[in-house]
Amino acid sequence: DAGVIQSPRHEVTEMGQEVTLRCKPISGHDYLFWYRQTMMRGLELLIYFNNNVPIDDSGMPEDRFSAKMPNASFSTLKIQPSEPRDSAVYFCASSFWLAGPNEQFFGPGTRLTVL
Amino acid sequence: AQSVTQLDSHVSVSEGTPVLLRCNYSSSYSPSLFWYVQHPNKGLQLLLKYTSAATLVKGINGFEAEFKKSETSFHLTKPSAHMSDAAEYFCVVSDSYKLSFGAGTTVTVRA
Repeated sequence: DAGVIQSPRHEVTEMGQEVTLRCKPISGHDYLFWYRQTMMRGLELLIYFNNNVPIDDSGMPEDRFSAKMPNASFSTLKIQPSEPRDSAVYFCASSFWLAGPNEQFFGPGTRLTVL
Repeated sequence: AQSVTQLDSHVSVSEGTPVLLRCNYSSSYSPSLFWYVQHPNKGLQLLLKYTSAATLVKGINGFEAEFKKSETSFHLTKPSAHMSDAAEYFCVVSDSYKLSFGAGTTVTVRA
């Protein structure tokens, strides 16, 4: 298996622009997670889905952030409008129950820079 | 509520010497515990996990960790450090589908 795939790997944009990050989970996994990593706050869970349904979005920082999972093999995290403080590395991870409790497989991340 | 405290933000060792990364956890339930490693500009990779079976857990690349309930600790060790072990290590606790990450320990390995 190719593992969790994220695109783009790097994104540089200007303040106010819309940014869309993409994730393809491992086939057969029924949980998908979006995380943000910064020096100041470490790794934070933003939102997670089970069977394509958002379960907990309490980590989403504000209304500028939205996430969707239209099918089992694709998810997006959108920031509109983007701000410099959104600069971070965004990770997608997936897991499935039969792997045991909560082992998550991480993608390589998208490094976002908002100028 | 669950949380993790990694007691060292940075550990520096010489190649060939033992590595010890300390982690204390807090959880209301019987937790699952993990160690993940992150190499520079890479995603996170699972090193090992504890899920209420054997208290001494062996992972990849020669790492192991011991679960001590009485001390609420889950320290990570390796008998002999290699240059390729230079990375950031995260201790993680979970009692559900949500993971709680420690702040991370950066390991540098001196030649």
